[in-house]
Amino acid sequence: EAGVAQSPRYKIIEKRQSVAFWCNPISGHATLYWYQQILGQGPKLLIQFQNNGVVDDSQLPKDRFSAERLKGVDSTLKIQPAKLEDSAVYLCASTLGRIDYNEQFFGPGTRLTVL
Amino acid sequence: AQRVTQPEKLLSVFKGAPVELKCNYSYSGSPELFWYVQYSRQRLQLLLRHISRESIKGFTADLNKGETSFHLKKPFAQEEDSAMYYCALRPLSGSARQLTFGSGTQLTVLP
Repeated sequence: EAGVAQSPRYKIIEKRQSVAFWCNPISGHATLYWYQQILGQGPKLLIQFQNNGVVDDSQLPKDRFSAERLKGVDSTLKIQPAKLEDSAVYLCASTLGRIDYNEQFFGPGTRLTVL
Repeated sequence: AQRVTQPEKLLSVFKGAPVELKCNYSYSGSPELFWYVQYSRQRLQLLLRHISRESIKGFTADLNKGETSFHLKKPFAQEEDSAMYYCALRPLSGSARQLTFGSGTQLTVLP
């Protein structure tokens, strides 16, 4: 089966600009996650969707970050305006069913550089 | 709150030598522990989870609740084991069951 797809793979922007990332999960996967991975650290969960509803967004900086999964399939993560500290790899992952029991499959990530 | 610590950022061993990647965790409840691996230019993927009690690619990990550790071990390292390894924790119950990752250990297996 095709894996989790993400685009773009790389993005360079200047601080205060806006940026959006796109994720297409594995077909049929109900749960979708966005992670932020800063250089030298492990992935940190930003937001978790179950179908098109938000399950957990407790670590999402809501003053500048937003995410949506309108039809319960694809998802977009937006940063507006970007700060230097947002430079990171943004990972999307999906699981088949409800959060708890299934393996998370990760996408290749989008590497964001904020200058 | 949960926390995962991987004390070694870098670890080098020779091919055929035993390898142990350390993972310690802090969590007041019952955890589920995982090891994820990322090979060069590949995606992050699950290696093993303590609940399954499996040996994957010769790797094993035992959850030690007394020492709050989940070290990853392999008796004879191979060059293809060179990768970044992440330990991760998820609460077994409760409303906040997010996966928390350690900062990773880069393993290099030398020929």
